[in-house]
Amino acid sequence: QKEVEQNSGPLSVPEGAIASLNCTYSDRVSQSFFWYRQYSGKSPELIMSIYSNGDKEDGRFTAQLNKASQYVSLLIRDSQPSDSATYLCAVNSGGSYIPTFGRGTSLIVHP
Amino acid sequence: DTAVSQTPKYLVTQMGNDKSIKCEQNLGHDTMYWYKQDSKKFLKIMFSYNNKELIINETVPNRFSPKSPDKAHLNLHINSLELGDSAVYFCASSQANALSTDTQYFGPGTRLTVL
Repeated sequence: QKEVEQNSGPLSVPEGAIASLNCTYSDRVSQSFFWYRQYSGKSPELIMSIYSNGDKEDGRFTAQLNKASQYVSLLIRDSQPSDSATYLCAVNSGGSYIPTFGRGTSLIVHP
Repeated sequence: DTAVSQTPKYLVTQMGNDKSIKCEQNLGHDTMYWYKQDSKKFLKIMFSYNNKELIINETVPNRFSPKSPDKAHLNLHINSLELGDSAVYFCASSQANALSTDTQYFGPGTRLTVL
């Protein structure tokens, strides 16, 4: 059974710090990796997608993928209180229409 | 313009009733999904439709049935509602094929409360 593991948190960081969110997955043939952000009472929205090993940067967000170690992480630089949300990791294997979601990590950025 | 819309946003009903939730997407995607998110925020896939065909059906009770009149719509019918059905239900769509799936676009969610 495909599994995606995340620390549920909460992860608490001060404003301006780097927040590091981690995700591990069990299916070695996974090909697509996504980070979604979900504010309380709202729907998930895509933050980053990554498909190959290494880093991918978009503004204050950096996704890191290591397929050999089967983990994907999300770094948020210069964290802001508005970044406080639950971050969901999703992993998809080739040949499947269905991504597997982790349980999410709650991030709290305090002023 | 709303990409993925759901109605109603809130649904409060009694045990044993039958209810429906509607979903529409205007993104031209060929795959739509229904997810259930419980109080612990775990997002669980329920159904997926690709080109009007059910392509996966997770082990959900047969009281739940998806209906897709066309590629842009995927409705969820629930019969004989139970207390444990209380959750937030999200519709989503993506451009997917047999080789991969792309970003999921979620609707605003329907908060179902069964009394």
